[in-house]
Amino acid sequence: QQQVKQSPQSLIVQKGGISIINCAYENTAFDYFPWYQQFPGKGPALLIAIRPDVSEKKEGRFTISFNKSAKQFSLHIMDSQPGDSATYFCAAALSGTYKYIFGTGTRLKVLA
Amino acid sequence: NAGVTQTPKFRILKIGQSMTLQCTQDMNHNYMYWYRQDPGMGLKLIYYSVGAGITDKGEVPNGYNVSRSTTEDFPLRLELAAPSQTSVYFCASRTGNTDTQYFGPGTRLTVL
Repeated sequence: QQQVKQSPQSLIVQKGGISIINCAYENTAFDYFPWYQQFPGKGPALLIAIRPDVSEKKEGRFTISFNKSAKQFSLHIMDSQPGDSATYFCAAALSGTYKYIFGTGTRLKVLA
Repeated sequence: NAGVTQTPKFRILKIGQSMTLQCTQDMNHNYMYWYRQDPGMGLKLIYYSVGAGITDKGEVPNGYNVSRSTTEDFPLRLELAAPSQTSVYFCASRTGNTDTQYFGPGTRLTVL
């Protein structure tokens, strides 16, 4: 019940295209859903996050879509750029605890 | 601010050796975390701390120990290194007011 399932494992997108990464969770107690971006040799960095009281959040080219009834959330990267090539992790935080559960990551490659 | 710093960046250990991975943050964050990252497996929580003197186990604590004597430092101790502990280790911290975790650059550990 504490798993977060992320797909796809890897993704190749042409420059200017839309990158979509999906996550699904099981535990309805989760109340915070961040996406992290990680470049090779670096630690993950927060990209964008959402709470269950909204269905969508947009920051620049990055959008989180959240479907509470389906227990799914996704990251959309519009106008994908080669500089977006990185590994992306979704996560879910458990209400009342201090723990994050991370997805397994998606390696994104944007072709120039 | 340096943020979250980790030392060393790389280390090779022999089976049975011990070592301490250092983590320091200068943001006065109460909460600190240790994760390990294995290829294709995402980030797994090893231990976390909600303040000086308070620590708790995460998903994969076996083979590790932690201490938190100050707000700034959260070292991770490996007592008897095993090949299964070959991984990249990340330290992270956050305040009590937000859910955003800030990650260090990581320590790549190889046990031979």
